[in-house]
Amino acid sequence: DADVTQTPRNRITKTGKRIMLECSQTKGHDRMYWYRQDPGLGLRLIYYSFDVKDINKGEISDGYSVSRQAQAKFSLSLESAIPNQTALYFCATSDLQTYNEQFFGPGTRLTVL
Amino acid sequence: AQSVTQLGSHVSVSEGALVLLRCNYSSSVPPYLFWYVQYPNQGLQLLLKYTSAATLVKGINGFEAEFKKSETSFHLTKPSAHMSDAAEYFCAVSGTSWGKLQFGAGTQVVVTP
Repeated sequence: DADVTQTPRNRITKTGKRIMLECSQTKGHDRMYWYRQDPGLGLRLIYYSFDVKDINKGEISDGYSVSRQAQAKFSLSLESAIPNQTALYFCATSDLQTYNEQFFGPGTRLTVL
Repeated sequence: AQSVTQLGSHVSVSEGALVLLRCNYSSSVPPYLFWYVQYPNQGLQLLLKYTSAATLVKGINGFEAEFKKSETSFHLTKPSAHMSDAAEYFCAVSGTSWGKLQFGAGTQVVVTP
């Protein structure tokens, strides 16, 4: 079984709809992250959480929100999706013991029409 | 603050030839450095990491990278390319006391017969 899972894997939605992407991990890591990937731009950090009570904005948080429901679960929401949020979204986890190495989920491909 | 520059968004190599992917970083603190690989329709997988031990780091699939502090570089090499090396490669930097990763824009590697 995968250590970091993301649901759904693919989603097509319409402008203005609310969307939630979910991430679960079995690695026991405290730190979790959400990134989006766009061609030529690498991965950009949306939000990150260093423990259940800690939520921080990344470099591109506008239009997104997150919820850390438990150590193992970190959800990303798009309150009102717009076409330029079409991207590949990744969840990742890390732990201080692994020198900040991050472990990635398989990604969610989101298309906003 | 940390940043990463990957030289060349696309690299084409012949099967059996040397693979060289360039990464330069800037960091205000001692860095941890990483190379990740992304195969089509998959998440990111760690190739190797530098965590202030040996400056020449060996990773999976025959890849290695050398940390050169004077040049602020962490270039990735593989002596002989294989068709299965076709993928996108990302360099990333983290500060030793800072849990976030800063990614480069990525280099797409194409391997030709």
